[in-house]
Amino acid sequence: EIVLTQSPATLSLSPGERGTLSCRASQSVSTFLAWYQQKPGQAPRLLIYDASNRATGIPARFSGSGSGTDFTLTINNLEPEDFAIYYCQQRSNWPLTFGPGTKVDMK
Amino acid sequence: QVQLVESGGGVVQPGRSLRLSCAASRFTFRNHGMHWVRQAPGRGLEWVAVIWYDGSNTYYADSVKGRFTISRDNSKNMLYLEINSLRAEDTGVYYCVRDRGSYYLDFWGQGTLVIVSS
Repeated sequence: EIVLTQSPATLSLSPGERGTLSCRASQSVSTFLAWYQQKPGQAPRLLIYDASNRATGIPARFSGSGSGTDFTLTINNLEPEDFAIYYCQQRSNWPLTFGPGTKVDMK
Repeated sequence: QVQLVESGGGVVQPGRSLRLSCAASRFTFRNHGMHWVRQAPGRGLEWVAVIWYDGSNTYYADSVKGRFTISRDNSKNMLYLEINSLRAEDTGVYYCVRDRGSYYLDFWGQGTLVIVSS
């Protein structure tokens, strides 16, 4: 099973700042990685797939990069609605696995 | 907009069985693989199972293999998850999720809560 590790566990930021979230895989997943956003009491939402492709309707301030074992989700110019938990997910091998999440909260 | 509505959750005693259902609408259900993903209270996401668009193949997380069965009825636009021998660690919200075509999960239902407790 591919283990995904996310850092930091919590990221405290102010609106307008840039957030940089990391996801590391225990073995190469090529670019088969996605990012999801989950707000309290809501289902997750797909943000990024194949490491760098924004899903339909996702604002351009969200961007993804990386390949192999190291990936980054960048949120530029944080909006109030961006404070949430972010999960990475790999689809390189079965079973699909998620990282433990990074909580982006307000400083 | 894609709609996925789960049902069937509730409070169940350990060792009992439960069947979760998911009613899909506003997309061509038979064209998409479907997943179940669960989330224990206050915890992260755990992928549970997938079924191919035509039901021809399934995969399961090791933690549920042999106890859970995913199935679908394309004539009714329904997805199911049969859960047997329920354990306390099965407690959580179970999400029905659409596969966008490459094992990424692009639409999620609102989830159904399963509580395993005596």
